[in-house]
Amino acid sequence: DTEVTQTPKHLVMGMTNKKSLKCEQHMGHRAMYWYKQKAKKPPELMFVYSYEKLSINESVPSRFSPECPNSSLLNLHLHALQPEDSALYLCASSQYPGPMNTEAFFGQGTRLTVV
Amino acid sequence: RKEVEQDPGPFNVPEGATVAFNCTYSNSASQSFFWYRQDCRKEPKLLMSVYSSGNEDGRFTAQLNRASQYISLLIRDSKLSDSATYLCVVTHGGATNKLIFGTGTLLAVQP
Repeated sequence: DTEVTQTPKHLVMGMTNKKSLKCEQHMGHRAMYWYKQKAKKPPELMFVYSYEKLSINESVPSRFSPECPNSSLLNLHLHALQPEDSALYLCASSQYPGPMNTEAFFGQGTRLTVV
Repeated sequence: RKEVEQDPGPFNVPEGATVAFNCTYSNSASQSFFWYRQDCRKEPKLLMSVYSSGNEDGRFTAQLNRASQYISLLIRDSKLSDSATYLCVVTHGGATNKLIFGTGTLLAVQP
């Protein structure tokens, strides 16, 4: 089973709303990632969790707040987003965070629209 | 200069053709290399890992040249279902690796 599950699949939110994206994997992977992907662009790394601790934050604005409640779950809390934050948000996991990284498996993504 | 670069394409090829994609990376400390494919409005899916010795999986062959910091993907006997964006992915870092995506190459296989 190489499945990463993301919910919701689609989300429309206003600029004053607070919402959360959820990601779950049961492969025992110890590294989990959030990526943002705009149309016709490659995924851009936002955050990396290594053994449930935040290890990389790619200078992401504080209106995006990640959380890793346990080794299987990863959340992305959203607050006061802007329309330009509309994108596909992808969660991924890999067996180990490094130094020789194994391949990453992606969830289907949450397509977020900020209105 | 982007850290991982690819020709964006599109590559329009007929069914049965052989097509080659190239990727260059700038960080000599990069450690792992992969090719992913991404269908329109879907998530990236791992196609294959890339090793210095080269590796083959059916119609797909990947090569890595560390000295030139260059990765390639060869697809033989193209199928309509091969139409997708092919993404080169490179990892580097210390205790925690970053997976850095190339810009992607769009392949359109024509009947």
